Amino acid sequence: EPEVTQTPSHQVTQMGQEVILRCVPISNHLYFYWYRQILGQKVEFLVSFYNNEISEKSEIFDDQFSVERPDGSNFTLKIRSTKLEDSAMYFCASSEGYSPLHFGNGTRLTVT
Amino acid sequence: DAKTTQPNSMESNEEEPVHLPCNHSTISGTDYIHWYRQLPSQGPEYVIHGLTSNVNNRMASLAIAEDRKSSTLILHRATLRDAAVYYCILSRSGGYQKVTFGTGTKLQVIP
Repeated sequence: EPEVTQTPSHQVTQMGQEVILRCVPISNHLYFYWYRQILGQKVEFLVSFYNNEISEKSEIFDDQFSVERPDGSNFTLKIRSTKLEDSAMYFCASSEGYSPLHFGNGTRLTVT
Repeated sequence: DAKTTQPNSMESNEEEPVHLPCNHSTISGTDYIHWYRQLPSQGPEYVIHGLTSNVNNRMASLAIAEDRKSSTLILHRATLRDAAVYYCILSRSGGYQKVTFGTGTKLQVIP
C-alpha cells in the first residue's frame, strides 16, 4: 500500500537555525498538509496546500514557516529561525480530496 | 468546526470487542464522521468514516445513531496492537478535508 514518507526521522538543530522537513506524499494525491504535535499534546493543524498554493493555515503558521512543492513529488516545510518551542513531531499528510488523510510517521524536531 | 466528546480513556481485554463512543450533538447535515487512531510513536492513521449508514471495513465498524448525534467505533476483537489514541472527528464534505484533532480516547488493551 502506498505511504507518505518523511525525512529525516529526527532532526536536531540550534535555536535560530533554519530547518527544512521533507515529505513525499502519495503520488496521485492532490492535497497536502502539515501538522505538529508537541510532546504530550494534541495533534495541531499547521497548513494545507493545493494547486501549488496554501489553501488554509492556522495561527501557528506564522511568517517563520513556509511550504513548498519544489519538484512535483516532494513537499517541504521550512522553519526560518527555529525557537525552542518549535520542538515537536511534525507530520505530513496527503489526500486525494474526497478521501481520508494519509499521514507519515513524522519528523521529530529538537531545538536546543 | 462542530465539537465531539469522547471519554479520555478506556480499557479492554485482549480478544474482546471494544465499543468506543463519541457524541457530536451539533453535527450538521453535511458533516462526515471520521475516526483516526494514533499508535505510540506513529502518525495518525485513518480507521473509518461514514455519513448516515453504519459502515464496516477490515479494521473496524462504525455505528451511527439515527439522529447522527452520536456514533460508536467498534473493534470486534481487540489486540495489543490496537492500543492507541482514537479520535472521532467531524469533517465537512467536499474536496478539502482538513481534520481537527481533539484529545481522543486512549485505549488500553490488557493481555
